[in-house]
Amino acid sequence: KNEVEQSPQNLTAQEGEFITINCSYSVGISALHWLQQHPGGGIVSLFMLSSGKKKHGRLIATINIQEKHSSLHITASHPRDSAVYICAVRGSGGGADGLTFGKGTHLIIQP
Amino acid sequence: DAGVTQSPTHLIKTRGQHVTLRCSPISGHKSVSWYQQVLGQGPQFIFQYYEKEERGRGNFPDRFSARQFPNYSSELNVNALLLGDSALYLCASSFSDRDYYWIYEQYFGPGTRLTVT
Repeated sequence: KNEVEQSPQNLTAQEGEFITINCSYSVGISALHWLQQHPGGGIVSLFMLSSGKKKHGRLIATINIQEKHSSLHITASHPRDSAVYICAVRGSGGGADGLTFGKGTHLIIQP
Repeated sequence: DAGVTQSPTHLIKTRGQHVTLRCSPISGHKSVSWYQQVLGQGPQFIFQYYEKEERGRGNFPDRFSARQFPNYSSELNVNALLLGDSALYLCASSFSDRDYYWIYEQYFGPGTRLTVT
């Protein structure tokens, strides 16, 4: 069983819609990352958070440590937001284990 | 400033061969991590290096090895290639300090796509 579960696996929405992608994890963590991967492979780090909420432009990330759950929200979605969004966690034991990744959410925003 | 760079971009090898992948971190970053991403899956952690020392290793066979050089660039080596080694290999660098090298944000390179035939 993957320690990091994302939902939904696939999401198609219309331009302008509010998007929510969820991430649940089963281990204690020191940090959670949201990453964006476009076709071709390049990964961009969107957020790294260990508590509360962060906002960058139209993107918002929240985390609830007690419930072991994080959400990534996209407001006023646009076709250029189409990508795979990946949740990754770093265990609370330190860096020896690297990041553990979810399988990703494939998002398509239609014009 | 240049981002993380990786070479080559694409590579085709035959089963049983050996491959070396290279990564140059962002200037000032002392930590480099390697990940394998099989098509349709999330990345899997292979190694983390900090100041030329291995600080973490994922669940990969001994055919996989890596090293970090004094300029903080890194190489990932894979021996006796198998078909299942076909994947996108990602390198990520981060600014770190010795005691808390894992808490900093990671910056990913574009990856090397390895195809084993």
